[in-house]
This record gives sequence, structure tokens and C-alpha cells, in this order.
Amino acid sequence: NAGVTQTPKFRILKIGQSMTLQCTQDMNHNYMYWYRQDPGMGLKLIYYSVGAGITDKGEVPNGYNVSRSTTEDFPLRLELAAPSQTSVYFCASYTGGVNIQYFGAGTRLSVL
Amino acid sequence: TQLLEQSPQFLSIQEGENLTVYCNSSSVFSSLQWYRQEPGEGPVLLVTVVTGGEVKKLKRLTFQFGDARKDSSLHITAAQPGDTGLYLCAGTNTGGFKTIFGAGTRLFVKA
Repeated sequence: NAGVTQTPKFRILKIGQSMTLQCTQDMNHNYMYWYRQDPGMGLKLIYYSVGAGITDKGEVPNGYNVSRSTTEDFPLRLELAAPSQTSVYFCASYTGGVNIQYFGAGTRLSVL
Repeated sequence: TQLLEQSPQFLSIQEGENLTVYCNSSSVFSSLQWYRQEPGEGPVLLVTVVTGGEVKKLKRLTFQFGDARKDSSLHITAAQPGDTGLYLCAGTNTGGFKTIFGAGTRLFVKA
């Protein structure tokens, strides 16, 4: 059972480039989340989804886009990368009820 | 805006000592979770507390949820080097699916 899988693990982007961070879960969870974690900080919610076709903004959505065409996949898109987006990105999924979120191992992104 | 404040931000102690980490908010949460995160990995859930005043124990770790469901504490008895890590508290809103995280407490236990 793979749980939540994120790819890539590391990426360096130049300012203005775009990329998609991939997230897949095999637990049939309805809820999925994208967080970013800056050095020495907790996690901040970027976007979340309560089911296929439904997404909503979190605390820090600017500069990002998401889609949820299937239950399994929840990709995060950066259109015009900026140095302020240098961070570690975590995807998580949750089945509902008492909150137990399962996290991926993270994607470490540097924008130079 | 809901905020969760954790204290202390950093703690360095000797093996065998006891410690308490605090998580405070002015907001009421439907549940509160504690996670532990190792370098290079995602957070791993330790416990979820749901009822005001609830106390849960996990070996040497004791978690308490405040009566008003606005705050929580994590107490570690006889800390060991294996307890070293980043401890995060997180609160879930009354809707049940949005979670906010505290900034974390980085614990270092010296042998």
C-alpha cells in the first residue's frame, strides 16, 4: 500500500518557469490537500479538494492552481515561478471523520 | 483568521528530562492533532484529541485538549534521543476538513 506519493522529490526552477507537482493517493480518500512548509515554520494550506471536480483555496493560494479530475490525483501547478515559492511542498489525503491526514514525503522546490 | 501558537519554538534537553510543549489559539476547534516530523519526511500523526478535557497517552507521551477546545499540550516523560524531531500541532475547523498548523517545536534530546 503506497499511501500518498509525490513526484518529483527535488526540483530547481528558474524564475518565470512553470511546473506541475504530482500527487497520487491509493486509499480512495475524498479529501486532498496541498501545503507548503517554509524553513522553521509550520505548514500553510495552499489548496484543498473535497472530491473529484471540487477544489477551493486555502490560506496561501496566490501563484498556484490545482485540478482534481480523479479521486486519486491532485496536481499542483506553478505557472510563473518566483523565488518566494521556494519551499517544501506536501500533499496529504484524508478519509473523513476524525481527522487523520496522511502525508506524502514532500517535494523540495528551489526557484532561482 | 485562525492561528495556532506553539511554544517553545526550540527546546534542547538532556536524556531523561521531562518537557511540555504548548499549543494555544483564540479559536475553537472540532479536533486537534499532534504530528511528529523527521527531516526530509512528511508529518506523521501521533494523536487526535476531540473532546474538551480529553487526555490521551502514548507510551511516554501525554496529550491534553483544553476544556474549551482552544488549546492543547504535549508532555514527554523521560525524553530519549529518539524523541528528537519537529512536533507540530494542528487544529481542524468545525466543518471538519480544513486544518491549520502551528509553527512547530523543534526538540533536541542529547544523550
